Amino acid sequence: ELKVEQNPLFLSMQEGKNYTIYCNYSTTSDRLYWYRQDPGKSLESLFVLLSNGAVKQEGRLMASLDTKARLSTLHITAAVHDLSATYFCAVDRTGNQFYFGTGTSLTVIP
Amino acid sequence: DAGITQSPRHKVTETGTPVTLRCHQTENHRYMYWYRQDPGHGLRLIHYSYGVKDTDKGEVSDGYSVSRSKTEDFLLTLESATSSQTSVYFCAISDFPGQGNTEAFFGQGTRLTVV
Repeated sequence: ELKVEQNPLFLSMQEGKNYTIYCNYSTTSDRLYWYRQDPGKSLESLFVLLSNGAVKQEGRLMASLDTKARLSTLHITAAVHDLSATYFCAVDRTGNQFYFGTGTSLTVIP
Repeated sequence: DAGITQSPRHKVTETGTPVTLRCHQTENHRYMYWYRQDPGHGLRLIHYSYGVKDTDKGEVSDGYSVSRSKTEDFLLTLESATSSQTSVYFCAISDFPGQGNTEAFFGQGTRLTVV
């Protein structure tokens, strides 16, 4: 059974600080996805990481993938309140199923 | 935004009644998925479809059935709703998962309460 684990599950951080969310998965996969979800809303795609060593950045968020360690990280730089949301990582299995982590609820405090 | 419409958006139903949720897409994507979202569990795959009349089970398929008679529509049916099926249900679509830069795109969700 494929397991996708995120930590921390809850994260409260001050504006201006840096932090990293971790995503570990239990089976071989070369593709990893990061999504953002605002309360009561749908999921929005942030990053698609397609290969070992892939790094993508958008604004204050940077995602990376290490397929050998089965680990992806989402790094937040100089957090601002607008980044408060729940972040999910997902792994695709057999190329046609997306398995999600439990999510990391991020609250950025002014 | 990807053209995905879920209906209804909210529903309250009684235990033991049948319920059907609808997902409609205008993107002509091949793959369609039904997930449920519950606190502490993230999103869990219920069923998915890889073409008209082609469906398969996900990790939490018990108590659910699906049908896809047209490319654009994917129906999720709870034959006899139970309180454990109270959840938020998301439909997602993907064109060529596992190939290229293809992620899943999500609908707005359906909040189902079984009383």
